[in-house]
Amino acid sequence: DTEVTQTPKHLVMGMTNKKSLKCEQHMGHRAMYWYKQKAKKPPELMFVYSYEKLSINESVPSRFSPECPNSSLLNLHLHALQPEDSALYLCASSQGARLAGGTDTQYFGPGTRLTVL
Amino acid sequence: AQKVTQAQTEISVVEKEDVTLDCVYETRDTTYYLFWYKQPPSGELVFLIRRNSFDEQNEISGRYSWNFQKSTSSFNFTITASQVVDSAVYFCALRLNAGKSTFGDGTTLTVKP
Repeated sequence: DTEVTQTPKHLVMGMTNKKSLKCEQHMGHRAMYWYKQKAKKPPELMFVYSYEKLSINESVPSRFSPECPNSSLLNLHLHALQPEDSALYLCASSQGARLAGGTDTQYFGPGTRLTVL
Repeated sequence: AQKVTQAQTEISVVEKEDVTLDCVYETRDTTYYLFWYKQPPSGELVFLIRRNSFDEQNEISGRYSWNFQKSTSSFNFTITASQVVDSAVYFCALRLNAGKSTFGDGTTLTVKP
């Protein structure tokens, strides 16, 4: 089973709203990732968690707040977003036995399409 | 710095034609990993293949084949007898031991019936 699930599938929110994106995997992976993807562009890495600890933050604005409550779950809390934050948000996971290992194949979820009004 | 170039922005073929998607990469590291992902309109990135820098053996999986050539820093992807369901954006990615992946800009493949 190489399934990563994400909820919700679509989200529309105003600039003053607070919302959360959720990601779940049951493959026993210990590394989880958030990517942002704008239309017709490749995914851009936002955050990496390794063994439930934040290991990489790619200078993401503080209005995005990640959380890893346990090894299977990854959340992305959103607050005071801007219209330019509208994008597809992808979650991925990998074995993460050694985060620096390039052999880690990342498996992606279907994404959440976020629209900020 | 590492870089991945997918020079073909869009490709359109008719069903049953063969099509090759090009990927050229740049890195100074001797150990690296190359990936291809497929992204259909639904949005999910589907893992297709991983290739290690020290293994230049080409691979075939059904209608898919990959040609890895270190001498030209290329990792091209060929779909034989294309089908409408192959229509998607295809991303080539490079990953070093340091962990972060670099994606190419993607090639949009349209297969017409």
